[in-house]
Amino acid sequence: GENVEQHPSTLSVQEGDSAVIKCTYSDSASNYFPWYKQELGKRPQLIIDIRSNVGEKKDQRIAVTLNKTAKHFSLHITETQPEDSAVYFCAAPNLDTGRRALTFGSGTRLQVQP
Amino acid sequence: GAVVSQHPSRVICKSGTSVKIECRSLDFQATTMFWYRQFPKQSLMLMATSNEGSKATYEQGVEKDKFLINHASLTLSTLTVTSAHPEDSSFYICSASGQGVSGANVLTFGAGSRLTVL
Repeated sequence: GENVEQHPSTLSVQEGDSAVIKCTYSDSASNYFPWYKQELGKRPQLIIDIRSNVGEKKDQRIAVTLNKTAKHFSLHITETQPEDSAVYFCAAPNLDTGRRALTFGSGTRLQVQP
Repeated sequence: GAVVSQHPSRVICKSGTSVKIECRSLDFQATTMFWYRQFPKQSLMLMATSNEGSKATYEQGVEKDKFLINHASLTLSTLTVTSAHPEDSSFYICSASGQGVSGANVLTFGAGSRLTVL
């Protein structure tokens, strides 16, 4: 099945700085890469996703880049704010479920210091 | 659109009892729903794929007799944790495929159910 690795596990930045989280995946046929934000005790919320026909997608302060050759994709958050503090998960389609379910990365705990 | 409701949000039970968790798609039909488990400070791990009208497909290492899944309608899937033990204490989250705001298919999560087994 799909194997998704995520780094770093924790990330602390000063308010206003940028944060970058990176993920790699193993299934070269994967074509959909979402990022989720999860606040403590709450459900994961989709914040941005990218499909394999584009290399970059941006939504205000959040952007995702995809390198299909290297099989990695990254989340970029600019001008970070304290409310960006949360755990972020990358994901990729789970091959074993016909790519209907997702395999998640291990998560990155982002702490934005005011 | 694509709202998934999960109930209960929290449940505390005694060891040996069974607990049922419901997952409903409110504004769309979900032929397939997914059940995940998340231990504290860990990632979401897929437990099983719930298929409407047929048997669920379980991931390796997940006991089907312990985690009973029923998907009797296009809007409801249930997970029953049978003979619960303290090690079953976890955050259980369901998800279903639905149409997002852009019209593309997205995976929507329920709010999760925190199970504590005493």
